[in-house]
Amino acid sequence: SQKIEQNSEALNIQEGKTATLTCNYTNYSPAYLQWYRQDPGRGPVFLLLIRENEKEKRKERLKVTFDTTLKQSLFHITASQPADSATYLCALDAGGGNKLTFGTGTQLKVEL
Amino acid sequence: SAVISQKPSRDICQRGTSLTIQCQVDSQVTMMFWYRQQPGQSLTLIATANQGSEATYESGFVIDKFPISRPNLTFSTLTVSNMSPEDSSIYLCSVEDPQGTYEQYFGPGTRLTVT
Repeated sequence: SQKIEQNSEALNIQEGKTATLTCNYTNYSPAYLQWYRQDPGRGPVFLLLIRENEKEKRKERLKVTFDTTLKQSLFHITASQPADSATYLCALDAGGGNKLTFGTGTQLKVEL
Repeated sequence: SAVISQKPSRDICQRGTSLTIQCQVDSQVTMMFWYRQQPGQSLTLIATANQGSEATYESGFVIDKFPISRPNLTFSTLTVSNMSPEDSSIYLCSVEDPQGTYEQYFGPGTRLTVT
């Protein structure tokens, strides 16, 4: 069966450190993978998209890698800040146009 | 990008009744999506709504329970029919980026509680 898995337990890190979140998938062949941020009581906000032929993408303090052999994406936040505390969702195209299938999400807490 | 609003932001409803959720976008988009997010869970796609055609429902979701309208390129509604407590959830609409980048923009969600 198809699955998208993210760290189910909350990730607590200290301010200034690099946070690394993992997204693993099985039985998908996505053309692209996306990462979103969701704050409590709000809809997800798009962060980054990486295509199957790209190994790495960066945007300010964010970096995403995509390994289609391992079927895994890593999401890094460098120099993390308390304001980065949120739930981070990975999503990949489920085929048939622009439909997305979301992972379970990982809650990140950045402490002072 | 696109800015999306939803109404209502929250509601408490009695079982057996129906609620219609509205989604308004500030630009014309071809595809709109409706998701459900149950407490502590991730997002599950309910259906895709294209203007001028019937909505396409995902496995486990049916038109009788979740009828959708898409009268124009900036508006859609989702109705949750004959509600039960299991329908308590956050319902979100989203649209694809009008520029065609595959990014999706989400509304703030409608928090529904069924008693």
